[in-house]
Amino acid sequence: AQRVTQPEKLLSVFKGAPVELKCNYSYSGSPELFWYVQYSRQRLQLLLRHISRESIKGFTADLNKGETSFHLKKPFAQEEDSAMYYCALRRVGSYIPTFGRGTSLIVHP
Amino acid sequence: DTGVSQNPRHKITKRGQNVTFRCDPISEHNRLYWYRQTLGQGPEFLTYFQNEAQLEKSRLLSDRFSAERPKGSFSTLEIQRTEQGDSAMYLCASSRDGASTDTQYFGPGTRLTVL
Repeated sequence: AQRVTQPEKLLSVFKGAPVELKCNYSYSGSPELFWYVQYSRQRLQLLLRHISRESIKGFTADLNKGETSFHLKKPFAQEEDSAMYYCALRRVGSYIPTFGRGTSLIVHP
Repeated sequence: DTGVSQNPRHKITKRGQNVTFRCDPISEHNRLYWYRQTLGQGPEFLTYFQNEAQLEKSRLLSDRFSAERPKGSFSTLEIQRTEQGDSAMYLCASSRDGASTDTQYFGPGTRLTVL
């Protein structure tokens, strides 16, 4: 069975500070990893996926298979980054993601 | 198309009553998913349709839960004999075939409160 762990329920930073939202996973095969975001009063949406290797809204995430991690990083946080962030894992060939419990990011002015 | 829609947005019911939720996916999407989300947790998978076929069900989906997608378009999720533990946000998502287009698009959710 796969599991996704987001150890921080809440992360509070000031505008301009670096941000790292942690995500660790357990899965014996090759996973697909995702970050989803939910802004206040908006629906859950995909932020980025590891296979795309892209930067979205200044966020990047690198899959580290040795440490089984997929941390989300941004060098300079903005107030508009305040949201709930969910890490998710999907088995290759499956359409069903397993979500972590989420981390609430608050960026103070 | 404004995205995935769900109705109702909120439902309050008494324990023991039956409730039904509706999800309208993005029109060209052939896959439809139902999730449940409780406070402080991420979404948990309930069931998944490809067109009208229900292909996978979670062990979370007890016998009191049933989902349909009769014509491969909208879907309904029914909960019979609701219990207080059923109180949660029920999310629907849809996606389309194709390796680069299998992104799931979520609806706004239906919040169920069982008194």
